[in-house]
Amino acid sequence: SYELTQPPSVSMSPGQTARITCSGDALPKKYAYWYQQKSGQAPVLVIYDDSKRPSGIPERFSGSTSGTMATLTISGAQVEDEADYYCYSTDSSGNHGVFGTGTKVTVL
Amino acid sequence: EVQLVESGGGLVKPGGSLRLSCAASGFTFSNAWMTWVRQAPGKGLEWIGRIKSKTDGGTTDYAEPVKGRFTISRDDSKNTLYLQMNSLETEDTAVYYCATSATINTIVVVIAYWGQGTLVTASS
Repeated sequence: SYELTQPPSVSMSPGQTARITCSGDALPKKYAYWYQQKSGQAPVLVIYDDSKRPSGIPERFSGSTSGTMATLTISGAQVEDEADYYCYSTDSSGNHGVFGTGTKVTVL
Repeated sequence: EVQLVESGGGLVKPGGSLRLSCAASGFTFSNAWMTWVRQAPGKGLEWIGRIKSKTDGGTTDYAEPVKGRFTISRDDSKNTLYLQMNSLETEDTAVYYCATSATINTIVVVIAYWGQGTLVTASS
């Protein structure tokens, strides 16, 4: 079955830039989405269609893709950005969704 | 404001059945594509399946681990989404979330808003 692979963890100091990658064979043809999940809470959409940001999401969150890899960048990370981040996309048929393995972001 | 409220979770023995509900408000439910996602304790998110709006065919798709055991349905007259779970296994223990599509700046995002989830525990 189709898989999206993320690094298990990323850590940084406040104000630094964090980059979280998501690798999948269908990403050149299918959009990537990114969700933030803080402890004990439901996920929240932070990036859609590879690089678009919903209203209310801080500008420090940005997304990009290149080939089979999507990247979520947090520029100038804040302590409140500590969370698990998941990429999401579909298989090549578009009929089955899949979430990435998840990345725990620590800001300390 | 979009609101999704899941209910129906609880403790069930392996081999048993359970039906989850997701009550929707704050948007036009009949136009929405609805998705179920689960998260086992301490684990990542897992896509379970999705049902399209009736105007888009009302069809369903499922992940392999639940195909043939789980059924997604909707009642647009009640603004409610359902997940019928049969032949439950211990591996099905998880928080189950429903999620809705939404149009954001003219783009349809299939998983845009989430409920708070309901816990299902399959254990003897």
